[in-house]
Amino acid sequence: DQQVKQNSPSLSVQEGRISILNCDYTNSMFDYFLWYKKYPAEGPTFLISISSIKDKNEDGRFTVFLNKSAKHLSLHIVPSQPGDSAVYFCAATLTQGGSEKLVFGKGTKLTVNP
Amino acid sequence: DARVTQTPRHKVTEMGQEVTMRCQPILGHNTVFWYRQTMMQGLELLAYFRNRAPLDDSGMPKDRFSAEMPDATLATLKIQPSEPRDSAVYFCGGSHPNTGELFFGEGSRLTVL
Repeated sequence: DQQVKQNSPSLSVQEGRISILNCDYTNSMFDYFLWYKKYPAEGPTFLISISSIKDKNEDGRFTVFLNKSAKHLSLHIVPSQPGDSAVYFCAATLTQGGSEKLVFGKGTKLTVNP
Repeated sequence: DARVTQTPRHKVTEMGQEVTMRCQPILGHNTVFWYRQTMMQGLELLAYFRNRAPLDDSGMPKDRFSAEMPDATLATLKIQPSEPRDSAVYFCGGSHPNTGELFFGEGSRLTVL
């Protein structure tokens, strides 16, 4: 059962435009949501996170929005740059019994065209 | 510059052979994870440890996979016997004790023929 879902396997945008990556989740007990970026032949690297008690977090060109009622979050990149081309994973943390588990979506491949 | 180190980076083996992947987490990162990346499932959690004790390995096929942390500087993931469906990239990661940020290694790409 996929608790974190990224329904778009790929996204293509023009340089300078906005990239919007979407993520849906099913477990209302998730307490943090994170976005990771992954280049080929490298491990995923942390990009930005948001607590479940917030609805927006911004860091430079990256903004994450959380809609708890819809169990939906999105990552906005503006302006998009060719170097942003990568696979973006949405992830959520679940704290149970004092331990924390990180659950990932399947990823969305973003291509930013010059 | 501290980083997670995984070996081997690439492994090609034949079905039925034993495969051992190793991970050296960043010193002080006391929660260590093993993930597997496939096209179909994305990043799947296989197992994780806290202070070297296994907390959850429910994502791992128990009959052939085993994960251990013999000491704080080494985590291992063993597959015996390996099967073609085990072909994937296996990532090890450790979380920062204060921020919880997860740092991944570069992965071990396994191909089982």
